[in-house]
Amino acid sequence: DVKVTQSSRYLVKRTGEKVFLECVQDMDHENMFWYRQDPGLGLRLIYFSYDVKMKEKGDIPEGYSVSREKKERFSLILESASTNQTSMYLCASRPGGVGGYTFGSGTRLTVV
Amino acid sequence: QKEVEQDPGPLSVPEGAIVSLNCTYSNSAFQYFMWYRQYSRKGPELLMYTYSSGNKEDGRFTAQVDKSSKYISLFIRDSQPSDSATYLCAMSASNAGGTSYGKLTFGQGTILTVHP
Repeated sequence: DVKVTQSSRYLVKRTGEKVFLECVQDMDHENMFWYRQDPGLGLRLIYFSYDVKMKEKGDIPEGYSVSREKKERFSLILESASTNQTSMYLCASRPGGVGGYTFGSGTRLTVV
Repeated sequence: QKEVEQDPGPLSVPEGAIVSLNCTYSNSAFQYFMWYRQYSRKGPELLMYTYSSGNKEDGRFTAQVDKSSKYISLFIRDSQPSDSATYLCAMSASNAGGTSYGKLTFGQGTILTVHP
């Protein structure tokens, strides 16, 4: 089975800090995604990547950036954390062809 | 108006009931339809994957797609307490994961509780 691993389950950061969320997948998938999940709003796409060093903005990229230096790793960066970025962050991957996404277990980030 | 609408519930049913979960959508380009199940404090897991209109069955689960009405459903027969979770519908216009058309758009999720 594909495994998508997010480095932290829970994080608490202060306003203004730079925050790194790491995601690693072990099945050589081309595509990787970062979503945030909020009650009443569902999953919203922040950024995605379809190849190493390639990235595209999703629906809510403001305040975030990403890095994909290796195929298996996709990092989400909060340049200056704010309280409205308190959320559950979900990483996902999928192969280039058919199939749904495989999600990680999520990182619950609290910005105080 | 959101591209994908899903009744958030919560939905509470007795064990053994038939559960119907539904989503409507507005983007006629959507062709690939999925249902994900998410247990508390876990990431979503893929439950059903269908292409275009029609039915797909997998054990106690049946997914239906009606593209003419822009309406998809997930039926759970003989529901069990272990089915208690949030169910998310998702859809995309293309299977090309490397393009904007391949990205998934999710519904808000329906919280389901099956009580013994």
